[in-house]
Amino acid sequence: GQNIDQPTEMTATEGAIVQINCTYQTSGFNGLFWYQQHAGEAPTFLSYNVLDGLEEKGRFSSFLSRSKGYSYLLLKELQMKDSASYLCAVDTSGTYKYIFGTGTRLKVLA
Amino acid sequence: GAVVSQHPSRVICKSGTSVKIECRSLDFQATTMFWYRQFPKQSLMLMATSNEGSKATYEQGVEKDKFLINHASLTLSTLTVTSAHPEDSSFYICSARDSEDSNYGYTFGSGTRLTVV
Repeated sequence: GQNIDQPTEMTATEGAIVQINCTYQTSGFNGLFWYQQHAGEAPTFLSYNVLDGLEEKGRFSSFLSRSKGYSYLLLKELQMKDSASYLCAVDTSGTYKYIFGTGTRLKVLA
Repeated sequence: GAVVSQHPSRVICKSGTSVKIECRSLDFQATTMFWYRQFPKQSLMLMATSNEGSKATYEQGVEKDKFLINHASLTLSTLTVTSAHPEDSSFYICSARDSEDSNYGYTFGSGTRLTVV
């Protein structure tokens, strides 16, 4: 079966660094995506990893280890507006048909 | 960047009626679009893959006769919820990808909040 796991909730302080983990067991792998979703809104694309290693984009970085079925999203210099759900999604077939993880609700406190 | 327009953003309908949701790719062509459903505090669940000019592919457990998908052009896909019931109340989101966009990710529509009363 297909399984993508993330912690349900996390809390962090403004200005801090937070790491959101995602583990996956899927029948195929053609890339892993991270999306940010604010309540009541559509997800917005944050990052994409298909090879092992770290991808950095400003305050956001994403890491992938294919052998371990593991990824994380690193958010630096947290801001209040970063309070949102973060969704990990895997493209299992190369057709961009995503399977989404359970999502992690991040609360940033002042 | 690529923009996907979804309409309506909110709709309330009576049980037994049908509701149509439109998803349009603006400024790019999308041969494939995806429809998702999201219940409160849960993640997105893929319902179906909409293919231009052919029948949609439905995920296991999704009733194709209840959720009618039409992808009649390269920029428009519609999802019709037929004979809606209160348990169909949910957030429906479509997504599409511009193949010429090196962003890799899919662009999502703004979503439709359906409430069946």
